[in-house]
Amino acid sequence: ETGVTQSPTHLIKTRGQQVTLRCSSQSGHNTVSWYQQALGQGPQFIFQYYREEENGRGNFPPRFSGLQFPNYSSELNVNALELDDSALYLCASSLVGANEQFFGPGTRLTVL
Amino acid sequence: QKEVEQDPGPLSVPEGAIVSLNCTYSNSAFQYFMWYRQYSRKGPELLMYTYSSGNKEDGRFTAQVDKSSKYISLFIRDSQPSDSATYLCALCFSSGSARQLTFGSGTQLTVLP
Repeated sequence: ETGVTQSPTHLIKTRGQQVTLRCSSQSGHNTVSWYQQALGQGPQFIFQYYREEENGRGNFPPRFSGLQFPNYSSELNVNALELDDSALYLCASSLVGANEQFFGPGTRLTVL
Repeated sequence: QKEVEQDPGPLSVPEGAIVSLNCTYSNSAFQYFMWYRQYSRKGPELLMYTYSSGNKEDGRFTAQVDKSSKYISLFIRDSQPSDSATYLCALCFSSGSARQLTFGSGTQLTVLP
């Protein structure tokens, strides 16, 4: 069974740029969620995707957007990067309606 | 007030000690309770999942939920240096098919050999 994978591992961008982060869900899982984890904090829910549509969203502005593909992989896009966007971005996969979510290793984004 | 409050630590204990990690929450709509372990520079790993008041045991780990007090705990028996990590409580309520985890801020645990 393949776990959740994310790419890239690390990324450095400058303020105002755009970034795309990628996630492959665990084998058999059809739902993907994205979380932002600032240093020393717990993860915060950004949004969830199921059947290629957004299926729930946290308190994040529209410049955070996502995609889910037919193979259940997903992308997180962030436009107009701000310094406060520097964080670990985590992808989690699950079965639809299941409470347990399984996380990938994360992508560490630094915005200068 | 945050929806989920977690003792921030850091917590340092000798090997073999019993560790108690705690969270309180304010929203009674939370129905499902999880504990995750996160090693440095890694993603969170699911340790325990429960949905009812009472205790659930899995090896050296026991999750305890008290819905009336809105209080959850994770106990680690016979703690090992390999248990050194940040422990996150995560709570969830159902809203259709969407599932959103609300996390505590994490407790950093160090088990000294």
